[in-house]
Amino acid sequence: QKEVEQNSGPLSVPEGAIASLNCTYSDRGSQSFFWYRQYSGKSPELIMSIYSNGDKEDGRFTAQLNKASQYVSLLIRDSQPSDSATYLCAVFYNQGGKLIFGQGTELSVKP
Amino acid sequence: ETGVTQTPRHLVMGMTNKKSLKCEQHLGHNVMYWYKQSAKKPLELMFVYSLEERVENNSVPSRFSPECPNSSHLFLHLHTLQPEDSALYLCASSDSISSETQYFGPGTRLLVL
Repeated sequence: QKEVEQNSGPLSVPEGAIASLNCTYSDRGSQSFFWYRQYSGKSPELIMSIYSNGDKEDGRFTAQLNKASQYVSLLIRDSQPSDSATYLCAVFYNQGGKLIFGQGTELSVKP
Repeated sequence: ETGVTQTPRHLVMGMTNKKSLKCEQHLGHNVMYWYKQSAKKPLELMFVYSLEERVENNSVPSRFSPECPNSSHLFLHLHTLQPEDSALYLCASSDSISSETQYFGPGTRLLVL
C-alpha cells in the first residue's frame, strides 16, 4: 500500500512568520513530488513540484526533498493571511501513473 | 469556458434517487479522473479514463457508474447512494496517463440524506 502521510494540523503561524509543512511517503521508488493548495470549498491548485534532492524555490515558497529519508517539505516565508488553506502533498508513482495524496495540513496565518 | 468545469456544484439527494455528475475539460487532454474527497481524508482516486477507455477502477462500489463518451467529457452516474457517500467529488484531467500534472475542476459537493 503506497502511502503519503501529513500532519492534519491545524498549523497556526503569525503573519510574517515561516510556515513549515511536512510530508513522508512510503515508496522509495517515487520520483515526483507535488504540493497543492486547497482553499476551503475550492479545488486543489498545484503550487510546487520537485524531482531532485535539495531545495527548489519559487517566490515565497521553497520545496525541500530528501529521498533517503523519504521526506518532502514546503516552507512558506513571510506568511500572509491569504496563505491560509489546506496544503496537500502528492507523490506520483510511475507504475500505473497514479498520484497519491496525503490527507492535507490545514494552515492558518493569523494577522 | 476554460480549464476543467463541473456541474452541478452542489447536489442534495435521497438514497433512492438517481443523479449524474458532469465534468468537461477544455484543455485538449486525453486522460480524465474522478476523485472523492471526504473530510480529513486523502483524495481517493475512483476512476481513470484514457482516450475514453477506463484504465483504473479502484474497488469503487457499483452504485457509482462512470461514463466517458469522449475525451472531453466525463460523467459519474449515482444511484442508491449511502449517507457515507457524502463528499466533494473532484474531476481532473491530464495530458497523458504518464503525465504527473493534473488539473482539477471545482468539484461537486454531494450530500446524501
